[in-house]
Amino acid sequence: ELQLVESGGALVQPGGSLKLSCETSGFTFTASAIHWIRKPPGKGLEWVGRIRTKTYTYATAYAASVKGRFNISRDDSKNTTYLAMDRLEAEDTALYYCSPESFGFLYWGPGTLVTVSS
Amino acid sequence: DIVMTQSPDSLAVSLGERATISCKSSRNLLYRTTNNNYLAWYQHKSGQRPKLLLYWASVRQSGVPDRFRGSGSVTNFTLTITDLQAEDAAVYYCQQYYTTPYSFGQGTRLEV
Repeated sequence: ELQLVESGGALVQPGGSLKLSCETSGFTFTASAIHWIRKPPGKGLEWVGRIRTKTYTYATAYAASVKGRFNISRDDSKNTTYLAMDRLEAEDTALYYCSPESFGFLYWGPGTLVTVSS
Repeated sequence: DIVMTQSPDSLAVSLGERATISCKSSRNLLYRTTNNNYLAWYQHKSGQRPKLLLYWASVRQSGVPDRFRGSGSVTNFTLTITDLQAEDAAVYYCQQYYTTPYSFGQGTRLEV
């Protein structure tokens, strides 16, 4: 059974940093690009970014709103993807999800909550 | 970047009736080599994980009732839900996966 578990969410002050994890099982992690998507309170779903596989040199792509502040990485030995977030802003407050690439996002974890507030 | 625009932002439809949600893309989502539109539809209920309803614009995900139908091509797409049930109340999103940065529509809130 495919499983995704996001963790690392917390309350952080504006300008601070945080690193989220996405632990996976039940599928061939090394063959899958992984995406991060977020849901701010009261707003819609927003695609954050993705990391491709080793075959594609772990290429990353980001939404304009987070480019230069967020960095996605992965550890294939741990079947885990990370989202490192710097210079956090109030607008980054959201429930963060990870999902393996498919035709659309079929699998979602429960999400991890990031709150940026002083 | 591709901008996805849904309409309406919200709608209220009676039980058993039909709901129609429009999604427009700022760019072509049809990859002509495969004749596939790189568009998906999701249902999101409060407190739950988003649920993939359709991909390739019109292919229903396994387990999704045939009351949910996707249509359209290139830049104009529609999600139609017939015989509305109470459990269909949710926010619905379209999303393009033609190219990064991927993008979602702003969402349409459906009240039943």
